[in-house]
Amino acid sequence: GESVGLHLPTLSVQEGDNSIINCAYSNSASDYFIWYKQESGKGPQFIIDIRSNMDKRQGQRVTVLLNKTVKHLSLQIAATQPGDSAVYFCAEGEGAQKLVFGQGTRLTINP
Amino acid sequence: DSGVTQTPKHLITATGQRVTLRCSPRSGDLSVYWYQQSLDQGLQFLIHYYNGEERAKGNILERFSAQQFPDLHSELNLSSLELGDSALYFCASSVNGADGYTFGSGTRLTVV
Repeated sequence: GESVGLHLPTLSVQEGDNSIINCAYSNSASDYFIWYKQESGKGPQFIIDIRSNMDKRQGQRVTVLLNKTVKHLSLQIAATQPGDSAVYFCAEGEGAQKLVFGQGTRLTINP
Repeated sequence: DSGVTQTPKHLITATGQRVTLRCSPRSGDLSVYWYQQSLDQGLQFLIHYYNGEERAKGNILERFSAQQFPDLHSELNLSSLELGDSALYFCASSVNGADGYTFGSGTRLTVV
């Protein structure tokens, strides 16, 4: 069945370094991908999205890369800050009608 | 504040009971989505409504039902509650159901 998974459940990085969070998906029909950040006690917060007709999209300090050949999605966070500590979820879907979320990666920032 | 309002924030109830969770979408958003988040399951899609009509259904139990009203707010009804229903329930909204959506802060349901 459809599944979205994350290569690493936890990631620790030094403050100021770049972070890369990876995600694999299995539904070839998925044409919409999105990253969310969830801080403790809060709802998921939209970070960035990308459609299947693109392979890269940049936001403020974040970049999402999509490799449809190997069904891989990554989120790059530049110059990681303490406020970036959270659980990051990738999600995929056909449109945004029914997004399927991964289990999440916990990002920890070391001072 | 994301603009999506969920009430109540916390709910404790006994097994076998029925509860109603409420969601008010962001102003102008026509789509409402419900998700369940538990420790061992991550975020699980339950159901999607667009302008009052059901558009998509996920792994929603028959004991659960939802609806979206003419004023676009939505309610998720959970009945015959079991211990395993304890989870965070999130509502999200979007303008047209074709783009990323905005989540509310969730309702934490504890079934005892």
